[in-house]
Amino acid sequence: TQLLEQSPQFLSIQEGENLTVYCNSSSVFSSLQWYRQEPGEGPVLLVTVVTGGEVKKLKRLTFQFGDARKDSSLHITAAQPGDTGLYLCAGASFQGAQKLVFGQGTRLTINP
Amino acid sequence: GAGVSQSPRYKVAKRGQDVALRCDPISGHVSLFWYQQALGQGPEFLTYFQNEAQLDKSGLPSDRFFAERPEGSVSTLKIQRTQQEDSAVYLCASSLGTVGYGYTFGSGTRLTVV
Repeated sequence: TQLLEQSPQFLSIQEGENLTVYCNSSSVFSSLQWYRQEPGEGPVLLVTVVTGGEVKKLKRLTFQFGDARKDSSLHITAAQPGDTGLYLCAGASFQGAQKLVFGQGTRLTINP
Repeated sequence: GAGVSQSPRYKVAKRGQDVALRCDPISGHVSLFWYQQALGQGPEFLTYFQNEAQLDKSGLPSDRFFAERPEGSVSTLKIQRTQQEDSAVYLCASSLGTVGYGYTFGSGTRLTVV
């Protein structure tokens, strides 16, 4: 069974601070996606990383896929209250299955 | 439509009642997925359709859960004889192709079994 562990599970910081969220597994994934979910809504795709070692930037968000394709990180620079939400990582296996395996999420709160 | 539409948004069912949850995916999206999200957890896979074919139902927790997509567009997730542990948000997602494209999720149906 493939599992994705996210850390921390909860994070509350002040506006303007930097933060990193981690997503780790003992399994290798063909690709990894990050989603953000607001209360009462479905997850919204932020990024897909495919190549080991790949780094993608989305404004103040930086995503990295580990060299061994087992882990990923999300770094937010100068966090803003609008960044508040549940961040989910999700991995796709190599076996051809179309399903995603999700981590349990990191609930991020940015205080003004 | 512009997005994935799910109905109803909220459903309260008495234990033992049957429920049907509807998903209307983005037009032209071949792949359709159902996920179950318990409170405070990440979504867990239930089942996957490619057009009208149900290619993976390995995540359905019991034979009380049944999903269909008869014409390759709208899908229905049916839960028979609901139990309290079925209480969760049921998310539908669609995708243009393979999983690497990423999913577009609907807003979900929050099912509460009392």
